[in-house]
Amino acid sequence: GQQLNQSPQSMFIQEGEDVSMNCTSSSIFNTWLWYKQEPGEGPVLLIALYKAGELTSNGRLTAQFGITRKDSFLNISASIPSDVGIYFCAGQLAAGNKLTFGGGTRVLVKP
Amino acid sequence: EAGVAQSPRYKIIEKRQSVAFWCNPISGHATLYWYQQILGQGPKLLIQFQNNGVVDDSQLPKDRFSAERLKGVDSTLKIQPAKLEDSAVYLCASSRGGREQFFGPGTRLTVL
Repeated sequence: GQQLNQSPQSMFIQEGEDVSMNCTSSSIFNTWLWYKQEPGEGPVLLIALYKAGELTSNGRLTAQFGITRKDSFLNISASIPSDVGIYFCAGQLAAGNKLTFGGGTRVLVKP
Repeated sequence: EAGVAQSPRYKIIEKRQSVAFWCNPISGHATLYWYQQILGQGPKLLIQFQNNGVVDDSQLPKDRFSAERLKGVDSTLKIQPAKLEDSAVYLCASSRGGREQFFGPGTRLTVL
């Protein structure tokens, strides 16, 4: 079946840093979504990407839909403590279909 | 606009017992999904409804899991009998049938 690989699995951030994470797939998706999940809560939608090559921003977050349609990237600029959480990428073949999720990138604060 | 509601938020049961979870989607959302999220992993689809019909239940362990959405609005997911490996967070999501899915807070199930 389809698999999404997210990297890194975890990262430490220092306030003010820019951070990046990515997601790669063994097959093509036509929609990429990025979610953030905090402890005890469900995933919250951050950014949706609908077209290969598309670059979309939501505040300090920027995500790109890879040209090959097999990858996507999420950048967080000027990180702040509340950026801590688990970020999931999800791919979708067609509108209304299920989402296939990656394993998540856990963002932690440097001690 | 109210989000996806789920209850209970937490449930602890012993193996071989039964349990049921409830979900009320965002008003007007025709498509409802149940996902299972095992600790340390991303969510995986169990079943998808379009109104009150099943669209995809290929990953639902039908010998023990069942789900229904009788009036095309809220839905219940049942496990009977539960196994230790069913310990997970059960997430409900809804969509207007488009590309964006919105998730509820989940029900955390612990099977002892």
